[in-house]
Amino acid sequence: DAGITQSPRHKVTETGTPVTLRCHQTENHRYMYWYRQDPGHGLRLIHYSYGVKDTDKGEVSDGYSVSRSKTEDFLLTLESATSSQTSVYFCAISEDVYEQYFGPGTRLTVT
Amino acid sequence: GNSVTQMEGPVTLSEEAFLTINCTYTATGYPSLFWYVQYPGEGLQLLLKATKADDKGSNKGFEATYRKETTSFHLEKGSVQVSDSAVYFCAPPDTGRRALTFGSGTRLQVQP
Repeated sequence: DAGITQSPRHKVTETGTPVTLRCHQTENHRYMYWYRQDPGHGLRLIHYSYGVKDTDKGEVSDGYSVSRSKTEDFLLTLESATSSQTSVYFCAISEDVYEQYFGPGTRLTVT
Repeated sequence: GNSVTQMEGPVTLSEEAFLTINCTYTATGYPSLFWYVQYPGEGLQLLLKATKADDKGSNKGFEATYRKETTSFHLEKGSVQVSDSAVYFCAPPDTGRRALTFGSGTRLQVQP
C-alpha cells in the first residue's frame, strides 16, 4: 500500500469553527489532491497541488483553502465550517496525475 | 475539461452473473482512461486502465475496451463474486486541470 495517511480520521465540529485536515505521504509523489465524497455526487475535487507551494482550485473550492509547505504534507482548511461541509474527505497522491493512491478518508460532521 | 457519464446504480446481480457497467465520456483528443473501485469503508484504488484507442485494460477478471468511435469505456466481468461488491468509478483525465474527472460512481451489489 502507498504510504498515505490522513488525520484526524473522524471529527465533529460546530458551525463557524475553523477545521484543518492533514494528509501525509511517505512516497515523495509530486501531486496531492483533496476530494469530498457525498451521496449522489460521487467524488468531487476540492483543491490539488502539483508541487511545494503550488496549488490550484478544483470544482468545489469555495470555503476551503490548502497549503503545501513540504512535499509530504498537504493541509485542507475549512475557514468557517458549515453544515454543507459535512462529508467524507479523501486525500490522494500521484506521481503522474493518473494513477492516484487514496488515503483512508476523514469523516467530518459539522453540527 | 472532460466529463463522464456512468450508468445509475445500484446494480444488483447474483453470484456468477455477467457484469457490464456503462461509461461514456467527452474528451479532447484520446486520453488515457481509467476505472477505479471503492470497497466499503475504503478509499478508491485503481482497477484498470487503457492508454490508447482500441486498447483493452484488464485486472482481477475485469476488462474494459477503449472505443473512440463511441467514446465509451464499459467495464465488464464474466462472472462476478460477492467480493466484487463495491462502487466503481470511470475516470477520464480532466484536461483543464492536472487531475482526473470522477463520475458519480456505480454501486454493485452481488448476492450469494
